[in-house]
Amino acid sequence: DAGVIQSPRHEVTEMGQEVTLRCKPISGHDYLFWYRQTMMRGLELLIYFNNNVPIDDSGMPEDRFSAKMPNASFSTLKIQPSEPRDSAVYFCASSLRAFWAYGYTFGSGTRLTVV
Amino acid sequence: AQSVTQLGSHVSVSEGALVLLRCNYSSSVPPYLFWYVQYPNQGLQLLLKYTTGATLVKGINGFEAEFKKSETSFHLTKPSAHMSDAAEYFCAVNGGSQGNLIFGKGTKLSVKP
Repeated sequence: DAGVIQSPRHEVTEMGQEVTLRCKPISGHDYLFWYRQTMMRGLELLIYFNNNVPIDDSGMPEDRFSAKMPNASFSTLKIQPSEPRDSAVYFCASSLRAFWAYGYTFGSGTRLTVV
Repeated sequence: AQSVTQLGSHVSVSEGALVLLRCNYSSSVPPYLFWYVQYPNQGLQLLLKYTTGATLVKGINGFEAEFKKSETSFHLTKPSAHMSDAAEYFCAVNGGSQGNLIFGKGTKLSVKP
């Protein structure tokens, strides 16, 4: 199993540009989560999906952020337009419905720098 | 509402010394508790978990944690620290019926030679 795959690993973009982060969850996992990690705020849940349906997006900071999960094997997190304060490491994680048995599996993250 | 409090954002120990990382939780439902470890420039990895049954849980790399319901605690320990244990550690509790985990703010562990 290749685990949760995120791309790109690093992204540097200019303020105002659109940024798209990608995630491939583990096959068979029901849940997919997007987290943001910064020094100041720690690990923040942005949004999560169950069976490709968004369940809770209350953590999405602004309308500039959007997330989709068109199928069970792919999700995107888009920021448009990007701002310097969006600089962070973005993690994707997936889990089975019985998350208590196995917990979450995290990807390696995308380090986003907006200049 | 569920929440997790990790006492101490930074903990420093000498190599060979006891490691103790503190986690207290608040939960209105029976808690499932987790510890994750994050090494520099990597994602989070599951260290150990408590769901039901035995309250002393053993994980990878010699770590263990004890669930104490009366104290609403789930502290992480390791008898003898190794340099390779230097990382950030996150405690988490189940967020309710929807399958999400609530993470603490993390504790960065430094190990001195």
